[in-house]
Amino acid sequence: QKEVEQNSGPLSVPEGAIASLNCTYSDRGSQSFFWYRQYSGKSPELIMFIYSNGDKEDGRFTAQLNKASQYVSLLIRDSQPSDSATYLCAVLGSGNTGKLIFGQGTTLQVKP
Amino acid sequence: KAGVTQTPRYLIKTRGQQVTLSCSPISGHRSVSWYQQTPGQGLQFLFEYFSETQRNKGNFPGRFSGRQFSNSRSEMNVSTLELGDSALYLCASSLPGNPNTIYFGEGSWLTVV
Repeated sequence: QKEVEQNSGPLSVPEGAIASLNCTYSDRGSQSFFWYRQYSGKSPELIMFIYSNGDKEDGRFTAQLNKASQYVSLLIRDSQPSDSATYLCAVLGSGNTGKLIFGQGTTLQVKP
Repeated sequence: KAGVTQTPRYLIKTRGQQVTLSCSPISGHRSVSWYQQTPGQGLQFLFEYFSETQRNKGNFPGRFSGRQFSNSRSEMNVSTLELGDSALYLCASSLPGNPNTIYFGEGSWLTVV
């Protein structure tokens, strides 16, 4: 079992729709969770991080965390073609570490 | 505020050669981590440095090494290059104990021929 799993997609949604991206992780001791966006040929860009169970909203983005189910999700409301990218879920390793464990990423395509 | 700076951005090396990549973290950031990204394996952790000491190491062969200097700048070295080392090498810097400050540089694209 991979430590962080994501559906590779592609996930295709029409412009203006809600895109839902999901991620599961295996280490129950994980405390910090991140969503990065990566455009083709570019480096990952931090979108959101979440520590506590529940929802965290930032503009059109909402991160959801359920530690009991070991599940993290990212909702993108009013999806735009510029949101088309690969979205990487990352989990911070347990203990005093800066090690991020990444999923394989989900490719999102927003069609005009 | 300047971001994480990586040099060189692009390079081509021949099998068997070695390569050194450099990373200058965001001012004030003392933790530097390195990652390798390939289409097949995704983003994989190489190592993390803090205060010139390696704090964590990923599952890579000994050909991959790194170091951090007193000004927090870091270098990574890959010796005896293999075709499979072709990848995007990413450096991330952060404030220790503050994971929401992890930011990536633009990366160094290495092609081994």
